Amino acid sequence: NAGVTQTPKFQVLKTGQSMTLQCAQDMNHNSMYWYRQDPGMGLRLIYYSASEGTTDKGEVPNGYNVSRLNKREFSLRLESAAPSQTSVYFCASSPSRKGEGSYGYTFGSGTRLTVV
Amino acid sequence: GDSVTQMEGPVTLSEEAFLTINCTYTATGYPSLFWYVQYPGEGLQLLLKATKADDKGSNKGFEATYRKETTSFHLEKGSVQVSDSAVYFCALGKTSYDKVIFGPGTSLSVIP
Repeated sequence: NAGVTQTPKFQVLKTGQSMTLQCAQDMNHNSMYWYRQDPGMGLRLIYYSASEGTTDKGEVPNGYNVSRLNKREFSLRLESAAPSQTSVYFCASSPSRKGEGSYGYTFGSGTRLTVV
Repeated sequence: GDSVTQMEGPVTLSEEAFLTINCTYTATGYPSLFWYVQYPGEGLQLLLKATKADDKGSNKGFEATYRKETTSFHLEKGSVQVSDSAVYFCALGKTSYDKVIFGPGTSLSVIP
């Protein structure tokens, strides 16, 4: 039972490069989320998808795009990476349907991204 | 708006000491409350939860009771171990939300 799988685990990018962070869950969850975690800033929501086919902005969406490819997969794309996007990125999923509230999340193990 | 407040860290305890990490929330209605734990280099894991007033969540020796009258959900453990060293996040979720609101986290270090 893999849960939430994130790839890659580590990445170094040069300023201006693009990349896609992949996330997949095998729990048949409806909702998926992307967070970033920075020292002293806690967890900040970037984007989320409350159901297949929908995506919504979170607190810090600028510089990112997302795709809910199907029910299992939710990717995060950095079109032109900046040093301010150096962070640890976490994907999470939840069985909640839109408007049902929260049953809590299952998190992936994170992607540690450095932009130089 | 709805929010979660946790005690500032870092918290340092000796092994076998009693642990309390305070958490209070501001929310309308009847949120669900959660504690998550993050071990070094890992993602967050759900530690325990409570869905209504006076519920007690428990797991791995940790407990927290949903107190609506004081809007609190304090995390307690009677005897901590070195392996409990981690960051602990209090969080809330509501029927009207599609997402969970996290507190800032409290870092715990347990020394032998």
